[in-house]
Amino acid sequence: GAVVSQHPSRVICKSGTSVKIECRSLDFQATTMFWYRQFPKKSLMLMATSNEGSKATYEQGVEKDKFLINHASLTLSTLTVTSAHPEDSSFYICSARSGIEQFFGPGTRLTVL
Amino acid sequence: SQKIEQNSEALNIQEGKTATLTCNYTNYSPAYLQWYRQDPGRGPVFLLLIRENEKEKRKERLKVTFDTTLKQSLFHITASQPADSATYLCALPANSGYALNFGKGTSLLVTP
Repeated sequence: GAVVSQHPSRVICKSGTSVKIECRSLDFQATTMFWYRQFPKKSLMLMATSNEGSKATYEQGVEKDKFLINHASLTLSTLTVTSAHPEDSSFYICSARSGIEQFFGPGTRLTVL
Repeated sequence: SQKIEQNSEALNIQEGKTATLTCNYTNYSPAYLQWYRQDPGRGPVFLLLIRENEKEKRKERLKVTFDTTLKQSLFHITASQPADSATYLCALPANSGYALNFGKGTSLLVTP
């Protein structure tokens, strides 16, 4: 099946720093990738849709200047959490679309101290 | 507003029995519905997709039904095993593109 990787799997950073998370589709090309976040015991919430070669589309309430998304190739999308604060601590998960199916990465646990 | 309800937060069953999980939705007319499995600290794993013109779909010990009149999907795991213990998520396509909206999930625990 289709494989999506994320890196890093876990990151701890100080408040005010920026963190970049990579999402790669390993065995297929994805013109569209998605970024979700998940709080403990809650479901996944869509943050933004990442389109290769164009600007990302953000969901209502998600600050585009805070969560920078770049989809520079058909196999790579990156999410940069800028000036991270403790409230940004969460589990960030990406997915890549293949047809109407979506394949998810293993997630990145971000902890901001 | 659109809602996806998985009306059982937790379900405990004995090994060998059939687990049945429910997903109800409102204010949607989805072309398809998906079920995912999520283990703690991991991303969701795709299990099954069922389209609006399909009433039932099977994959090994899994069976999904889709009733667009009742606006409900049932997810069955037959001959359940302790390894089936996980959270199961129901997902529907969001209004825009192919993004997904997820239910809160049902935590299944299969005991020996």
